[in-house]
Parts: sequence; structure tokens; C-alpha cells
Amino acid sequence: AQTVTQSQPEMSVQEAETVTLSCTYDTSESDYYLFWYKQPPSRQMILVIRQEAYKQQNATENRFSVNFQKAAKSFSLKISDSQLGDAAMYFCAYRSGSGTASKLTFGTGTRLQVTL
Amino acid sequence: KAGVTQTPRYLIKTRGQQVTLSCSPISGHRSVSWYQQTPGQGLQFLFEYFSETQRNKGNFPGRFSGRQFSNSRSEMNVSTLELGDSALYLCASSPEGGAVYNEQFFGPGTRLTVL
Repeated sequence: AQTVTQSQPEMSVQEAETVTLSCTYDTSESDYYLFWYKQPPSRQMILVIRQEAYKQQNATENRFSVNFQKAAKSFSLKISDSQLGDAAMYFCAYRSGSGTASKLTFGTGTRLQVTL
Repeated sequence: KAGVTQTPRYLIKTRGQQVTLSCSPISGHRSVSWYQQTPGQGLQFLFEYFSETQRNKGNFPGRFSGRQFSNSRSEMNVSTLELGDSALYLCASSPEGGAVYNEQFFGPGTRLTVL
């Protein structure tokens, strides 16, 4: 079974600074997708960024980028120019690329605080 | 398009009762997945429905069940509620579950409290 580990329960960053959230995963599959989801206090989960395992290039979405190290099974999220609105729980998630499975396996989350 | 909606948003039940939660996916989305979120266990996959058929199931007891209607709306039912069932139940929809990747869009959740 696949597992996703987020070793940082809480992180704090000053506004306009950069922060990196860590995620490692364990799988024996070669085809899969990785995601970072954001859950603000209102609780609606929002997709931040996704990475296909077969792509070597790291995904980027505006201020959000990932460092995908397939051999090390590491998938970290970098948030640049942090804003107050970035404060939320961040979940790393894994989805198998085989078959018809839509199941997401989530990590335990990292609570990000953004300070002035 | 309207997002994923879940009703009710909050629910209080007592042990032994049963509860039904509803999820309306984004128009055109055919796959609906359910997740349970608790402080202790985190986010756990319950099941996925696609075209009125359960396609995937997580590791939950048989007290947890679901169904999907022809309009893709889905319901989940929990019978004989236990205190440990207190959680935020999230529903997510995607255009098609399948081998081709599709993003899952989450609803706001239903907060279930079991007393």
C-alpha cells in the first residue's frame, strides 16, 4: 500500500518570504500522480499543484513550485513571496496512475502560519 | 459552474442512530469520492462511485455505505453511529474517474458530531 508522510506538523513563514513544505511517499508503482492540496480554515480543499511521475520537469503554478525527486520519493512544495492568504493546512496526496483508481492517499498535513 | 455542494453542513446525532449525507457534484462530473477527515486519522478514503457503481472502497466497516443516482448525486449512509464516527466528511467530484488523470474538486464538507 502507498503511504504519504509529512514530517512537519506546523511551519511558520513571514509575509513575502519563501517556505518549503516536505513530503515523502512510498510506492512500488512507476505510474502515479502527486498533489498538494490547501485547506483554509473554511475547510474547502483546493488543489494547489500537481505532478505527473513520468514528467521530469518540476511543476510550477505562479508562486508555487515543487521539487520532485522520484528516486528519493520526495515531493516538496515551495511557496515564494508568501501571502497572508496562504495560511492553511497543506496536504500532500498520492494517486495511482494505474487502472481506474481515483483514490487519493493523503499525508497528515502541515499547518502553515504566515506572519507579518 | 457551481461547485460541489454537500448537505447538511452540520449534523449532530447520538450513538446508535443512522445518518445520511448528500453530495451534489459539479455539473457533468460523473465520479464522486468520499473521504473522512479526523484529527487522529487524518484524511481517509471511504469509497468512489462512478456511473452509479461503487468502483473503489476504502478500509471502513460495513456500517458505511453509499450510493449514486443517475444524475451523479451521491449519498453516504452511516448506520449504528459510534462516537468515533465524529468527523468532517468530504465529497469530491471529477469529470471522469479513470485511467486518465482528472482533478478532484472538493466540497465544503459535512461536520458530523456523534454524542
